[in-house]
Amino acid sequence: QVQLQESGPGLVKPSESLSLTCSVSGDSLSGNNQYWNWVRQPPGKGLEWIGYFYYPGSTSYNPSLRSRVTMLLDTSKNQFSLRLASVTAADTAMYFCARNHPQRHYDVSSHKYLFAFDLWGQGTMVTVSS
Amino acid sequence: DIVLTQSPGTLSLSPGEGATLSCRASQSLSINYLAWYQQRPGQAPRLLIYDASNRATGIPDRFSGSGSGTDFTLTITRLEPEDFVVYFCQQYGSSPLTFGGGTRIEI
Repeated sequence: QVQLQESGPGLVKPSESLSLTCSVSGDSLSGNNQYWNWVRQPPGKGLEWIGYFYYPGSTSYNPSLRSRVTMLLDTSKNQFSLRLASVTAADTAMYFCARNHPQRHYDVSSHKYLFAFDLWGQGTMVTVSS
Repeated sequence: DIVLTQSPGTLSLSPGEGATLSCRASQSLSINYLAWYQQRPGQAPRLLIYDASNRATGIPDRFSGSGSGTDFTLTITRLEPEDFVVYFCQQYGSSPLTFGGGTRIEI
């Protein structure tokens, strides 16, 4: 059974960087047609897609966050990570890692594969506060 | 970005009744690339429907999706007590991927 588990500091100071890790068990990050995503949800609000990493090195980030986001894969540990720079209180949220549903499709406008999410981690809460 | 507007914000119903949730897109979604999720308190979203009308693995048939273009519907027949939670729609017809604001079903 495939499982995703987020980890990272629960508290980050404003202007610093947020770093989170998603550990994957039961599946390989280098598998075909698998996109490893981060999604966040501010308290009491809706969901926002942050971006994905596709092995061996393709990424796609939400334009609203692109200037501050970096995603990496560590296949030796079967983990992928999120780094969000220069955080503010607006970045306070539950952060989820998620895997794409196999029924993806190619968007000719963005030249990217797009999809729903069929597997999620439990999420980790990050608060930005001094 | 495609904006998804869900209505109503809250739906007040009783167990055993049916529910109809709406998701309207600001632009037409090519080939109905729309998904529905259920989210219980303190949990991650759970995929219910993909490609507007296909049930995800293990989802009971009292959940069904329909619609095309800009107007989509999630229908739940015979509400069970565990169905009284929040539902989100998500489009994957255009980048970036976006979600609706959610509909809460309450008793």
